[in-house]
Amino acid sequence: GESVGLHLPTLSVQEGDNSIINCAYSNSASDYFIWYKQESGKGPQFIIDIRSNMDKRQGQRVTVLLNKTVKHLSLQIAATQPGDSAVYFCAETSSGNTPLVFGKGTRLSVIA
Amino acid sequence: EPEVTQTPSHQVTQMGQEVILRCVPISNHLYFYWYRQILGQKVEFLVSFYNNEISEKSEIFDDQFSVERPDGSNFTLKIRSTKLEDSAMYFCASSVEWGYTFGSGTRLTVV
Repeated sequence: GESVGLHLPTLSVQEGDNSIINCAYSNSASDYFIWYKQESGKGPQFIIDIRSNMDKRQGQRVTVLLNKTVKHLSLQIAATQPGDSAVYFCAETSSGNTPLVFGKGTRLSVIA
Repeated sequence: EPEVTQTPSHQVTQMGQEVILRCVPISNHLYFYWYRQILGQKVEFLVSFYNNEISEKSEIFDDQFSVERPDGSNFTLKIRSTKLEDSAMYFCASSVEWGYTFGSGTRLTVV
């Protein structure tokens, strides 16, 4: 299995800049992908999702891009704010109502 | 907005003791899950539950773990004889179609 440790990849951005968080997913059969935000001591909070029949989806200040060819998912946050500081996880699953498989997570640190 | 509610928020227990973690899923959701997150690591799937039975479980979910839906609203995770390595955040989630919602978690500390 993959190695995970106590140190997450960290992305530091200036307030107001755009952030891009990347995720490589493992299962080519995955059909549904979700980005979650996790603040300290809290549960994963839904940000945005995308199905495999799409390659881009936009929400409020967030955009998810899906590249199935290289099994890559990214989350773009526009005009990053201090409240965006958290750990961000991607998750994948093969269909609705099946268990999610989470990625390792990236810590986003916003510098005011 | 509907929430998944978990209690307690923090549980400290002696090694070897039994613990029960409680969850109230969203009322119209049909699928229920338990996940675990060891400090600093990623969220890991434990078990899913549908139609009053386990639908899928991971290799982490061994004989020490069990789940139950004792009534129409609660969904519980029991660890029979806790080990130090069971210390983690435990998250309950529920889903309907393509929407998954997580609770705030129970921090379990085994001493």
